[in-house]
Amino acid sequence: QQQVKQSPQSLIVQKGGISIINCAYENTAFDYFPWYQQFPGKGPALLIAIRPDVSEKKEGRFTISFNKSAKQFSLHIMDSQPGDSATYFCAATLKNYGGSQGNLIFGKGTKLSVKP
Amino acid sequence: DVKVTQSSRYLVKRTGEKVFLECVQDMDHENMFWYRQDPGLGLRLIYFSYDVKMKEKGDIPEGYSVSREKKERFSLILESASTNQTSMYLCASSFDIRVNTEAFFGQGTRLTVV
Repeated sequence: QQQVKQSPQSLIVQKGGISIINCAYENTAFDYFPWYQQFPGKGPALLIAIRPDVSEKKEGRFTISFNKSAKQFSLHIMDSQPGDSATYFCAATLKNYGGSQGNLIFGKGTKLSVKP
Repeated sequence: DVKVTQSSRYLVKRTGEKVFLECVQDMDHENMFWYRQDPGLGLRLIYFSYDVKMKEKGDIPEGYSVSREKKERFSLILESASTNQTSMYLCASSFDIRVNTEAFFGQGTRLTVV
C-alpha cells in the first residue's frame, strides 16, 4: 500500500513532442505528489508538485495531471527539448505527518531521452 | 542556496573494508536521509534521521549503519563492504515535513567495492 508505481521505465521522444510519464498509488491518505528531475551526475531536484485538491498544475512546459478517483497522476512535458533529457521520479507522501510517516515514497524512475 | 554536500563523488573500496560516507547540509534541516540508487530500482531508503542522535531504518538497512552527532552532518557507514553494495549513494535533507516538503539532494557518491 506504500508503493508508487511509475511507468514507463524509459522513454524516447523527438524534440518538440510531448513526454508523458505516469504514476499510480494505493494509499488514499497520500496528500502531496512531487516530481523530481535528475540530470546525469547530479542528485534529484524538485521539479513540480501537486496537492489532491486540484486536478492540474502547470509550470511552464511541465504539467501535472491528477486523477484522485483513479489514484493516478502524470507528468506531461510539452515541446520536449534535448535539455529535458533526465531521469524523472514521481513521489508521494503524507504532508501532515512528521517523522517516518512523512517520508517521500518514490517511484522507480523514468529515463527520458529527447532526440534532436 | 540550500546545499547538501557529500564528501566524495567517487570511491573505490575493497571487500571487507569499513567505509564512511559523509553528508553535510547548511540549511538547519531537521530531517536527513540516505538513499541508494540502482538502475531499474529507483531510490531506496537506507536510513533516515529527523533529529540529532535519532535514526530510523528505511527499506534496506542491512549492512549499513548511520551516525548523526550534529544536526548538519549525517554519516552512512558500511561496516564490512561487499560487492553488492556497489552503487550510487544519495544523501538528502528537508525541513519538518509538515512545514516544507521539499527534499534537497547531494550530488551523490558512486561507490565501487572490488
